Amino acid sequence: NAGVTQTPKFQVLKTGQSMTLQCAQDMNHEYMSWYRQDPGMGLRLIHYSVGAGITDQGEVPNGYNVSRSTTEDFPLRLLSAAPSQTSVYFCASSYLFLGGGTTGKRYNEQFFGPGTRLTVL
Amino acid sequence: GNSVTQMEGPVTLSEEAFLTINCTYTATGYPSLFWYVQYPGEGLQLLLKATKADDKGSNKGFEATYRKETTSFHLEKGSVQVSDSAVYFCALRNQAGTALIFGKGTTLSVSS
Repeated sequence: NAGVTQTPKFQVLKTGQSMTLQCAQDMNHEYMSWYRQDPGMGLRLIHYSVGAGITDQGEVPNGYNVSRSTTEDFPLRLLSAAPSQTSVYFCASSYLFLGGGTTGKRYNEQFFGPGTRLTVL
Repeated sequence: GNSVTQMEGPVTLSEEAFLTINCTYTATGYPSLFWYVQYPGEGLQLLLKATKADDKGSNKGFEATYRKETTSFHLEKGSVQVSDSAVYFCALRNQAGTALIFGKGTTLSVSS
């Protein structure tokens, strides 16, 4: 298994440009998510999806769009890049948490991709 | 709301020293708690987890115990190695299971 893959690894954009960060997983995970990591801020959730056709907002969704047309892919779109979106972006996936009584590692661990470092000038 | 507070870094230790990284949380109910590690230039990897009070998670010599009474999940290791140098994140999963809430991370630097 390749696990969670992200492309590109690095990207430089000018203010106002648009782009899509790609994320794919081959573990048949229902849940996928995007986080951004900023110095001194930890990781913050941007958007997430609990299955194909279902997406929802996280803590910092403004300026980003997502869609989930397949189980495997979860792209993140920046519609009009701003310097405040300079960050490292991580995609993650997991089996869906099923709630009380569920045991086993498969229902607890999120797998992270290697990240995309984005700079907006 | 949910939040995680962990000690500020950087933490600088000599090889074979004892490590403690403090983590406390605020949450409704009884969230699952995690420690993730990020090595330079890489994504996050799950280090250990605990899903209920008094559970002890352990992996690679690291341990953390879920303390409901103090709402804490401190990370410990008895003897650190240079290869443990990384950023460590404490996190909790929200009740709906839809998000991980992370602390700000603690950078550990171990010298030989």
